[in-house]
Amino acid sequence: QVQLQQSGAELAKPGSSVKISCKASGYTFTSYYISWIKQTTGQGLEYIGYINTGSGGTNYNEKFKGKATLTVDKSSSTAFMQLSSLTPDDSAVYYCASAPIWFAYWGQGTLVTVSS
Amino acid sequence: DTVLTQSPALAVSPGERVSISCRASEGVNSYMHWYQQKPGQQPKLLIYKASNLASGVPARFSGSGSGTDFTLTIDPVEADDTATYFCQQSWNDLTFGSGTKLEIK
Repeated sequence: QVQLQQSGAELAKPGSSVKISCKASGYTFTSYYISWIKQTTGQGLEYIGYINTGSGGTNYNEKFKGKATLTVDKSSSTAFMQLSSLTPDDSAVYYCASAPIWFAYWGQGTLVTVSS
Repeated sequence: DTVLTQSPALAVSPGERVSISCRASEGVNSYMHWYQQKPGQQPKLLIYKASNLASGVPARFSGSGSGTDFTLTIDPVEADDTATYFCQQSWNDLTFGSGTKLEIK
């Protein structure tokens, strides 16, 4: 069965960076794009962007350009999202999900807390 | 951005029929999708492209609509359907609704 397994919770200081991973299993990794979504209590669900797992090509929501960087390692069937210059507003649960249009499969989420 | 507007909350009794609406600020063709999210869990796809039932989802769930007005219907509602329901469009970039919290009385 398709599974997306995300890395564990992160506690980071303002101004630092974090890198979250999303390891896929149960299917051919390059068959589906991987998208990333941010969830907060105040802002709800926000789309960050997607990565073409075959070519490495990316597409970002304008709001997250410069904040998020999406990469992929095909050898380990893992997608990554790096968040840089962290502020408290970046505190959220971040999900990876399959496909760029609707999301049939989701990771379990990674909680990122930004605090000094 | 295309804004998706949902009612904040609904309360229904088991066995009843409930309709959850989502209105888009501009037309999204049929590219509206619905998710269920229970506390502490990731969202789960229920309906894709307005009316297509996702794999493994009970036939009690159905979707309808096109253009700007869409509806997720659950009939009959069960106690386990307590959750927040989100709509998402993928016609104009990609945005989510703010969610409708469904309480089963």
